[in-house]
Amino acid sequence: DGGITQSPKYLFRKEGQNVTLSCEQNLNHDAMYWYRQDPGQGLRLIYYSQIVNDFQKGDIAEGYSVSREKKESFPLTVTSAQKNPTAFYLCASSILAGGHNEQFFGPGTRLTVL
Amino acid sequence: SQKIEQNSEALNIQEGKTATLTCNYTNYSPAYLQWYRQDPGRGPVFLLLIRENEKEKRKERLKVTFDTTLKQSLFHITASQPADSATYLCAFGGYQKVTFGTGTKLQVIP
Repeated sequence: DGGITQSPKYLFRKEGQNVTLSCEQNLNHDAMYWYRQDPGQGLRLIYYSQIVNDFQKGDIAEGYSVSREKKESFPLTVTSAQKNPTAFYLCASSILAGGHNEQFFGPGTRLTVL
Repeated sequence: SQKIEQNSEALNIQEGKTATLTCNYTNYSPAYLQWYRQDPGRGPVFLLLIRENEKEKRKERLKVTFDTTLKQSLFHITASQPADSATYLCAFGGYQKVTFGTGTKLQVIP
């Protein structure tokens, strides 16, 4: 089965701790994305990667970091510098970057900071 | 700055009627518009993509229009069913990334 997976589904973190969210795809897609979704605010782009070993900041990158060491993996680290990290995080991939390609989304990780 | 707007109020319609959702954009001329469906607690699912040189696109009970003069896209679901109840997101496509609207929640009443 081809698809995109995220883990864990729910994550709890204490203030001041870094946490890493996993995203894996077996669709052989070049482009991968991380979004944050808050109630009433839609999806906001955190980081995206068009190819292995390369990534760009999105609209709200502050307090986050990513890596793209393998084509199928794009982990997101939420650092302690992120002021309001409680949110629903969505990972997506597409064949290539660009608005003419549909995005395939994972099931999401809901992060709660206690 | 680029902006994409969807009606934040929920849309309630009777089963069997046509649902019409609106997406407006400003300060941008996208080459593509995409529509996604999102169910609560889940990731969005792609539905349709329309290019700027296409006026209309259809897929089964779904129809999307793209008016570059009005800077607007309309998304129609004909013969709506309770199973169509979800949040629908529009997104405009740029060179490298896609910008999403906030979504409109559709409730189809049996």
